[in-house]
Amino acid sequence: EDQVTQSPEALRLQEGESSSLNCSYTVSGLRGLFWYRQDPGKGPEFLFTLYSAGEEKEKERLKATLTKKESFLHITAPKPEDSATYLCAVQPAGGTSYGKLTFGQGTILTVHP
Amino acid sequence: DGGITQSPKYLFRKEGQNVTLSCEQNLNHDAMYWYRQDPGQGLRLIYYSQIVNDFQKGDIAEGYSVSREKKESFPLTVTSAQKNPTAFYLCASRRAGTPNEKLFFGSGTQLSVL
Repeated sequence: EDQVTQSPEALRLQEGESSSLNCSYTVSGLRGLFWYRQDPGKGPEFLFTLYSAGEEKEKERLKATLTKKESFLHITAPKPEDSATYLCAVQPAGGTSYGKLTFGQGTILTVHP
Repeated sequence: DGGITQSPKYLFRKEGQNVTLSCEQNLNHDAMYWYRQDPGQGLRLIYYSQIVNDFQKGDIAEGYSVSREKKESFPLTVTSAQKNPTAFYLCASRRAGTPNEKLFFGSGTQLSVL
């Protein structure tokens, strides 16, 4: 069974204090790993897709990396507006799982000024 | 602008009542999805549809029903058989044919029981 575990469940940072969020996964063949940002009461907003181990992608203060067992979302010098829940999801390669993403439970990030 | 519209934003269900959540997209996407989100849990797939007039059960389909009569629309009915319907419901879509395409999400419907 495909599984995604995110840690920590919640993270509090001071503005400018860099840190990382973790997404560990077990899947029968990885077709893609997705990171989303979700603000309270809103739908998730797409951040990155990673396809193979060693791949890295950046957007402003965020950088996502991927290994064969986990992905990290690095946040450099965060600002209060980076406060949100960050979701990780995997797309298995199996045919019966076509189009079905498995999500982690999310990491709630709070950045204090 | 293209996107996914969910309505209503808030919905209240009485005991024994069926309620329908609306999802409309103008992205010309073939595949549409319904997810349920509970606090502290990941998004769980209820139903999905890859083409008009066809849909498949997800991981937690019991107590829910859907239809896909038009490409743009994928309404979700929460039936009285769903005993714990209070949750945040998210509709999503993406292009078919490339399964590692990203999902686009609507803004969600919060369903509560009176």
